[in-house]
Amino acid sequence: QLQLQESGSGLVKPSQTLSLTCAVSGGSISSGGYSWSWIRQPPGKGLEWIGYIYHGGSTYNPSLKSRVTISVDRSKNQFSLKLSSVTAADTAVYYCARGYSGYDHYFDFWGQGTLVTVSS
Amino acid sequence: SSELTQDPAVSVALGQTVRITCQGDSLRNYYASWYQQKPGQAPVLVIYGKNNWPSGIPDRFSGSSSGNTASLTITGAQAEDEADYYCNSRDSSGNHLVFGGGTKLTVL
Repeated sequence: QLQLQESGSGLVKPSQTLSLTCAVSGGSISSGGYSWSWIRQPPGKGLEWIGYIYHGGSTYNPSLKSRVTISVDRSKNQFSLKLSSVTAADTAVYYCARGYSGYDHYFDFWGQGTLVTVSS
Repeated sequence: SSELTQDPAVSVALGQTVRITCQGDSLRNYYASWYQQKPGQAPVLVIYGKNNWPSGIPDRFSGSSSGNTASLTITGAQAEDEADYYCNSRDSSGNHLVFGGGTKLTVL
């Protein structure tokens, strides 16, 4: 059974860079046909897709593209998120998820999520 | 603003059937996937593709699509189905992903 686990700083100061890592176990991040996404959920609000990385590169939500970088470390079977110039609006639970990336797309495995608070 | 639109809240009597809808132009070309989220938990995939269930999802959940509208139907709703439900699909460009705003389902 695939498992994903987010880790990183739970408190980030405004204007700084948020950094999170998603460790994948029970399967290889190099498996073909899958994408590896970050998704966030502000307190009391809905889900927002941040972006994903796949064998061909990475794709980001246009509304966040200028501040987001998603990278992969295949040797450690993990992928990471960096979000720069954060503000209070970036306070959210951040999830990592595996996506099946064919013509259609769906998220079949999710991490438990980690709360990141932006505050001085 | 989200490119996928959902009703904010829906209610259903215990044991009855409820349909949760998701509207968006991209749904004319792509199927939606549906996620159930209970308080304090990560979302769980309940329907994907034309009408497919992941392992462990009860068959009272079903999906359908017509035109620009995708639907999640729960036939014989149970108390444990009370949750937030989100649709997700590719956007109109096909290059990005988008979630609907979510529907809070109350089982009366």
